[in-house]
Amino acid sequence: GAVVSQHPSRVICKSGTSVKIECRSLDFQATTMFWYRQFPKQSLMLMATSNEGSKATYEQGVEKDKFLINHASLTLSTLTVTSAHPEDSSFYICSAPGTRATGELFFGEGSRLTVL
Amino acid sequence: DAKTTQPPSMDCAEGRAANLPCNHSTISGNEYVYWYRQIHSQGPQYIIHGLKNNETNEMASLIITEDRKSSTLILPHATLRDTAVYYCIVSRIDKLIFGTGTRLQVFP
Repeated sequence: GAVVSQHPSRVICKSGTSVKIECRSLDFQATTMFWYRQFPKQSLMLMATSNEGSKATYEQGVEKDKFLINHASLTLSTLTVTSAHPEDSSFYICSAPGTRATGELFFGEGSRLTVL
Repeated sequence: DAKTTQPPSMDCAEGRAANLPCNHSTISGNEYVYWYRQIHSQGPQYIIHGLKNNETNEMASLIITEDRKSSTLILPHATLRDTAVYYCIVSRIDKLIFGTGTRLQVFP
């Protein structure tokens, strides 16, 4: 099946710094990718839809200037958490639709961000 | 996208069938039923999906009622590695909105 890879899997940063998370589709092209956030013991929350070659679409309540998304190629989307604070500590997961037309998503392994 | 309702938790003995229910009474005609699971600290894993007919693959079976208002995911022989949170999602587009899911605990 299709593979989506995220990097880094874990990152620890100081408050006020920015952190970039990469999401790659390894064996297929993805014009669209989705970014989710998951806090402990909670479900996944969709943050934004990343669109290759155009601006990302953010879900209600998600600050676009805080969470910068860039989808510069058909295999790479990046999420940058700017001026990170401890409340941004979370599990960030990306996904991309497979080649089948029925909307199956392939998920990355997730990136755990800890802001000190 | 239609909302789903799942029990928050279920237990199942190892080797027995696990039957996970999902209600989606507001599903519309062109929406699929998807099942994903998430093992602790990992990304979700696709299990199965269907539109109207029952489906089976190497992981599970999906039984969808004739009126499509509910479905059941069946893991025929649960193992300890099947312990996870199982999400039932209905959607007509790629964008999947996750509910709270069912935490399945398989015990020896």
